[in-house]
Amino acid sequence: QVQLQLWGAGQLKPSETLSLTCAVYGGSLSGYYWSWIRQSPGKGLEWIGEINHRGSTNNNPSLMSRITMSVDTSKNQFSLKLHSVTAADTAVYYCARVTKWYRDYWGQGSLVTVSS
Amino acid sequence: QSPLTQPPSVSGAPGQRVTISCIGSSSSIGAGYDVHWYQRLPGEAPKLLIYDDINRPSGVPDRFSASRSGTSASLVITGLQAEDEADYYCQSYDSGVRGSVVFGGGTKLTVL
Repeated sequence: QVQLQLWGAGQLKPSETLSLTCAVYGGSLSGYYWSWIRQSPGKGLEWIGEINHRGSTNNNPSLMSRITMSVDTSKNQFSLKLHSVTAADTAVYYCARVTKWYRDYWGQGSLVTVSS
Repeated sequence: QSPLTQPPSVSGAPGQRVTISCIGSSSSIGAGYDVHWYQRLPGEAPKLLIYDDINRPSGVPDRFSASRSGTSASLVITGLQAEDEADYYCQSYDSGVRGSVVFGGGTKLTVL
């Protein structure tokens, strides 16, 4: 059974960089894309982007200029950096495995709050 | 405003049938991109409920079914149970504006 465990800083100030890492247990990074999704308070889910084990990425056009994603195959982990955060980036962030076009395994979610 | 439109809430009594709609556009569901559905129970991460329009992952009861037509899709839950109370999200792909994975705004199902 694939499990994803997510961690990162929960409190940020405006203009700082959000940094999250997701570790994959019970499966390999190879053969899949690995996705980041978030949910801001009172809003629906928003796709951030995804990366495969070779480092190829697909990004949400509205966030692309602020996103850096990376993968560490030796640790079976992938990471997200979102630069120059504002209060609008306050959200619960999820990581998930992508199979075809759907997300079949999800991490538990991590609340990130941006406030001065 | 989410790229896929869902009703904010639906409700039903135990044993009843409820339908959750997901309205897209000619560049998303109408273009033939698959629709997927997720269930998020209170305090938990989303869980895949339906994939590729109509398929249930192993372990999902057959009380959950889905369909699509034109630019919209629907999730149907029959024989409603208390444990079905959750948020439900649809997801597809939108080829407009450089392409993007898109989600619905979510529907809160209340079991009366």
